[in-house]
Amino acid sequence: GQNIDQPTEMTATEGAIVQINCTYQTSGFNGLFWYQQHAGEAPTFLSYNVLDGLEEKGRFSSFLSRSKGYSYLLLKELQMKDSASYLCAVGGGGYQKVTFGIGTKLQVIP
Amino acid sequence: DSGVTQTPKHLITATGQRVTLRCSPRSGDLSVYWYQQSLDQGLQFLIQYYNGEERAKGNILERFSAQQFPDLHSELNLSSLELGDSALYFCASSGQSGGASEQYFGPGTRLTVT
Repeated sequence: GQNIDQPTEMTATEGAIVQINCTYQTSGFNGLFWYQQHAGEAPTFLSYNVLDGLEEKGRFSSFLSRSKGYSYLLLKELQMKDSASYLCAVGGGGYQKVTFGIGTKLQVIP
Repeated sequence: DSGVTQTPKHLITATGQRVTLRCSPRSGDLSVYWYQQSLDQGLQFLIQYYNGEERAKGNILERFSAQQFPDLHSELNLSSLELGDSALYFCASSGQSGGASEQYFGPGTRLTVT
């Protein structure tokens, strides 16, 4: 089965950098996803890592270490609109199956 | 706009009733996933279909069932509803035929059971 751990809440200051960690245990691995979800809205895709290393996409970067079962999402130049939940999700353990973590609720303060 | 549509947007019903939630995937996507998200809870995977066939099952109750039709739209049927079934139900679709891939989520159906 899949087990995903991420902090439940974080607070960071506008303009700063924040790193949201995710550790996972999986019986199979087909990649790791990060999604952003604003309260009451649908999750939206941020990034996908299947190989070790850093993927950069504008203000957001995602890192993966498969040997350590570890990923992080890095958000730079934080803006108030970045206040949302960030969901770590792992693919694997079944055909196209993706398991979501409970999400990290990020609050950006002025 | 993800291209995934869900109807209805809101649904209020009584305990013991049955409801049907509908999802149309993005054009060209063959996979449809259903998720349940209760207040302040993570996304719970319910079930996945690929091109009309059930592919994976998660924590789906026996009172719930789903299907994907030849035109690729999907329906999630919830019966004998209980108060605890009140949640946001999301449908997502993806396009790849193998392996995990990015999912596009619909706006969700908010179900309230009274």
